[in-house]
Amino acid sequence: AQKVTQAQTEISVVEKEDVTLDCVYETRDTTYYLFWYKQPPSGELVFLIRRNSFDEQNEISGRYSWNFQKSTSSFNFTITASQVVDSAVYFCALRSVNAGNMLTFGGGTRLMVKP
Amino acid sequence: KAGVTQTPRYLIKTRGQQVTLSCSPISGHRSVSWYQQTPGQGLQFLFEYFSETQRNKGNFPGRFSGRQFSNSRSEMNVSTLELGDSALYLCASSEGTGGARTEAFFGQGTRLTVV
Repeated sequence: AQKVTQAQTEISVVEKEDVTLDCVYETRDTTYYLFWYKQPPSGELVFLIRRNSFDEQNEISGRYSWNFQKSTSSFNFTITASQVVDSAVYFCALRSVNAGNMLTFGGGTRLMVKP
Repeated sequence: KAGVTQTPRYLIKTRGQQVTLSCSPISGHRSVSWYQQTPGQGLQFLFEYFSETQRNKGNFPGRFSGRQFSNSRSEMNVSTLELGDSALYLCASSEGTGGARTEAFFGQGTRLTVV
């Protein structure tokens, strides 16, 4: 069975603070992909990043960075110098090669960035 | 390229009725997956259709069904609605042939309220 845990249900920060969203996953498969999605109030899930299980290189995209550590089964997401527009619910998701196209989502973290 | 279109955006139905939701994927995409999002259970996979065939199914009762047409548009149907079926139903579109690495693009969802 696969499982994704996002222990932080809600985080509140003040604009320009850095914030890290945690994601821990469980899977028995050796080949899998991890994703982060952003869900603004409009409802759609916006794709942010994909990482495969063989690539532990950290990635930076503008103010966003991701830290993948296979040893701790974690795939954490950091927003540097947060902005009000970053306010949304963020989901971490897992898809293994044995699960077809199915994504297993964590419970989500609601991020509120206050001006 | 147009995004994923879900109709209608909002629906109010009475217990016992049935409902049909529609999803038009991105042009060229052959896979459509459906997810249910509720405050209590989070995002849960319903089923996936690829080239008019159900390829994968989540753990939902038989009241939830779907189909896909030759133009890749998909519909999902819920019969004998229960209060607990109130949720945001999200449709995800993907190429369908890239396996687990494939990015999924989501629509804005249909918010169903059962009264």
